[in-house]
Amino acid sequence: AQSVTQPDIHITVSEGASLELRCNYSYGATPYLFWYVQSPGQGLQLLLKYFSGDTLVQGIKGFEAEFKRSQSSFNLRKPSVHWSDAAEYFCAVGLYSSASKIIFGSGTRLSIRP
Amino acid sequence: DAGVTQSPTHLIKTRGQQVTLRCSPKSGHDTVSWYQQALGQGPQFIFQYYEEEERQRGNFPDRFSGHQFPNYSSELNVNALLLGDSALYLCASSPGLAELYNEQFFGPGTRLTVL
Repeated sequence: AQSVTQPDIHITVSEGASLELRCNYSYGATPYLFWYVQSPGQGLQLLLKYFSGDTLVQGIKGFEAEFKRSQSSFNLRKPSVHWSDAAEYFCAVGLYSSASKIIFGSGTRLSIRP
Repeated sequence: DAGVTQSPTHLIKTRGQQVTLRCSPKSGHDTVSWYQQALGQGPQFIFQYYEEEERQRGNFPDRFSGHQFPNYSSELNVNALLLGDSALYLCASSPGLAELYNEQFFGPGTRLTVL
């Protein structure tokens, strides 16, 4: 069965420091991969997505993610975090056979230390 | 553009009751999907509506039903509420029959508490 694992429940980084959020997936074919961010009281916002091609994907708000097939990973990175990046981050995999039926990981809560 | 809107924002019900949640999609979008997000979890796909028909469904019981209106707005109905139905219910809209490359836009959600 398809699944998404985010091993870090909560991460705290200092403002200006680099960030990497981990995501591992289990899927039998080439997956469609997504990262979403959810701020309190707000809906999910798409940061970036990977369908095919270049394995390094650029997204909004200065985020990027790298697809590594050999490791079944799609980690999210940002070189320098800002206090406004504090939020919940969700990795998700889209099912090739079921458009829009996205499976989400359980999320990583990011806190920013001043 | 108002984006995806949902109502109400919060709702408190008791076990056994029925609830209806509402969603208005982003302008120009005709596909609506519903997700349930339990506390501390990622969203789970409930079902998707397009052209007023349920097109796809996740692993949810028949107590969960929906409807899409000609103006593309949608309702989620849950009958015989259980304590475990307490969650944030998210609506997402997209253009066309929601191919994955069509970005889904999410609303802020409705927080349902079942006592």
